[in-house]
Amino acid sequence: EDQVTQSPEALRLQEGESSSLNCSYTVSGLRGLFWYRQDPGKGPEFLFTLYSAGEEKEKERLKATLTKKESFLHITAPKPEDSATYLCAVQARETSGSRLTFGEGTQLTVNP
Amino acid sequence: NAGVTQTPKFRVLKTGQSMTLLCAQDMNHEYMYWYRQDPGMGLRLIHYSVGEGTTAKGEVPDGYNVSRLKKQNFLLGLESAAPSQTSVYFCASSMTVNTEAFFGQGTRLTVV
Repeated sequence: EDQVTQSPEALRLQEGESSSLNCSYTVSGLRGLFWYRQDPGKGPEFLFTLYSAGEEKEKERLKATLTKKESFLHITAPKPEDSATYLCAVQARETSGSRLTFGEGTQLTVNP
Repeated sequence: NAGVTQTPKFRVLKTGQSMTLLCAQDMNHEYMYWYRQDPGMGLRLIHYSVGEGTTAKGEVPDGYNVSRLKKQNFLLGLESAAPSQTSVYFCASSMTVNTEAFFGQGTRLTVV
């Protein structure tokens, strides 16, 4: 059974204080690992897809990295508008229909 | 550029009532999904579809039915609502099995 564990559950940062969110996973053959951002009352918004260990992707202040057991979402010099819940999800290679297994998310608050 | 649209956004049902949630996407995506999101549980897949006329069970299908008569629409039905089905429901779609899913804004359903 595929599993995704995200830590910490909640994180409070001051504006400009860089940090990382963790996503640990177990999956029987990884097809892809996805990061999403979710704002209160809205649906998840796609950020990144990582396919193999060693891969990295960047978007503005966010950088996602992947190893064989975990992924990190690095946030550099965050701003208050980065406050959101960040979700990690994995897709197994043999999963039909592109199903995703999600973690419970990390709720990030960035104070001005 | 609507993306994925869910109807309705909010609904209160009495136990035993039935209802249908509508999802429409304008991106010509083949794959469509219904998830539910509950505190402490993350997003869990209810049913999904890999193309027009096809449906399949996800992780938590009991008490729900779905239909995909048209490529752009994916309907989720509750035949006899139960309080345990109180949740936020999200519809999503993706172009292929490997690509990111786009989510709707969600439907907040309360069953009393």
